[in-house]
Amino acid sequence: AQKITQTQPGMFVQEKEAVTLDCTYDTSDQSYGLFWYKQPSSGEMIFLIYQGSYDEQNATEGRYSLNFQKARKSANLVISASQLGDSAMYFCAMKRGGSQGNLIFGKGTKLSVKP
Amino acid sequence: DVKVTQSSRYLVKRTGEKVFLECVQDMDHENMFWYRQDPGLGLRLIYFSYDVKMKEKGDIPEGYSVSREKKERFSLILESASTNQTSMYLCASSLRIGGVNQPQHFGDGTRLSIL
Repeated sequence: AQKITQTQPGMFVQEKEAVTLDCTYDTSDQSYGLFWYKQPSSGEMIFLIYQGSYDEQNATEGRYSLNFQKARKSANLVISASQLGDSAMYFCAMKRGGSQGNLIFGKGTKLSVKP
Repeated sequence: DVKVTQSSRYLVKRTGEKVFLECVQDMDHENMFWYRQDPGLGLRLIYFSYDVKMKEKGDIPEGYSVSREKKERFSLILESASTNQTSMYLCASSLRIGGVNQPQHFGDGTRLSIL
């Protein structure tokens, strides 16, 4: 069965430091996609970054990078130079190849950035 | 820019009422989705649609129905609202082409309370 696991319910990080949010996944598909979303307290879900299962390079998007380790089935999000506005819930999600676009979500990690 | 609009940010209804949640996207996306989000459970898929008049059950369809009469609009219906349907409801859309790498774009969510 497809599953996404985020083992950190909450994390604290000092402003300007880097932080890694963990995500492991379980799938028997060869083709799949991994996504990270940010949800501020206002509620909207904001797409951050994507990694395809066949991508050889780790994805990067500004201060966000995805540490993809396929053999370990992990797709950790790294946020560099944390800002106060990064305080939010972060969700890891996986899309199965061949599906109509369904995403399976983890339960999320609440990140708090301290000044 | 990508835009998914949900008709209400906050909604209060009574047990037994028929409730309609509306979602409109302006991106000409084929796929549309309804999720509910509860603390500690992450996002769970209720229903999705990959074309006009097409619908598929997600993980928790019981007590809900959907309607997609036009490509841009996807409605979630609570046939007879119950208190256990108090939740945050999120609508999303995505392109169907491109396989696994198309992200879903979310609306701002509707916080629904059933009294």
